[in-house]
Amino acid sequence: GENVEQHPSTLSVQEGDSAVIKCTYSDSASNYFPWYKQELGKGPQLIIDIRSNVGEKKDQRIAVTLNKTAKHFSLHITETQPEDSAVYFCAASNSGAGSYQLTFGKGTKLSVIP
Amino acid sequence: DAGVIQSPRHEVTEMGQEVTLRCKPISGHDYLFWYRQTMMRGLELLIYFNNNVPIDDSGMPEDRFSAKMPNASFSTLKIQPSEPRDSAVYFCASRQGLNTEAFFGQGTRLTVV
Repeated sequence: GENVEQHPSTLSVQEGDSAVIKCTYSDSASNYFPWYKQELGKGPQLIIDIRSNVGEKKDQRIAVTLNKTAKHFSLHITETQPEDSAVYFCAASNSGAGSYQLTFGKGTKLSVIP
Repeated sequence: DAGVIQSPRHEVTEMGQEVTLRCKPISGHDYLFWYRQTMMRGLELLIYFNNNVPIDDSGMPEDRFSAKMPNASFSTLKIQPSEPRDSAVYFCASRQGLNTEAFFGQGTRLTVV
C-alpha cells in the first residue's frame, strides 16, 4: 500500500517568513495530493490540492509543488501569519487502483512567532 | 449543509464498556471514511464505505471494532469491549466521487479509563 512520509514534524518561523513542508510517497500510481490544516479541537480542513497532471498550484499565500519523478510534493506558505499556526497534513491517493482512500503523513506542527 | 456531524464530541467510558460513535455525512456524498488519530500513529484509516457498502476494512484494528452504514445519512463505529488503548480522537469524513475534497467532522474524543 501507499506510504507517505512528512518532514519536519515541527516547524517554527517568525511572522512574515516562509514555511516549507515536504512529503514523499511510495506508490507511483498516486495521482491526487491534498494538504489539510488542523486547528486545535477541530477536524482537518482542505487548504489546497494538486493532481498529477500539473507540477505547481498556487492560491494566494499558499503553493504546492509536485515532482512525480522523485515522488515528492511540498507545501509553501509565504508571509506567514500567527493564524497559520496549526498542524498540517499531506496526503496521497490513487483512484486508478479502485481504492479511493487517502493516506496521510504524520503531520507538521507549524508555529508562527509574532 | 451543516457539514459532517459527529456525536458525541467527547466520550469517557470505563474499560469493558461498549462505545458507539455516530456520524452524519454531507448529503449527496457517496463515500464515508472513519479515521482514528493518535499522537503516535497520526491519522489512520479504519474503514470506508461507498454507497453504504463497506469497501475496505483492513484498517480496523481488531474484531472489537465494527462499523455500519444502514443508510446514506448515518454511520456508526462501535467498540465492544473498549480498552484504554482505544483512547484517541475518531474522525468521520465524507466526499463525493473520486479524488475530491474529503470533509471531516469535528471528531469524537474517546477516553477509556
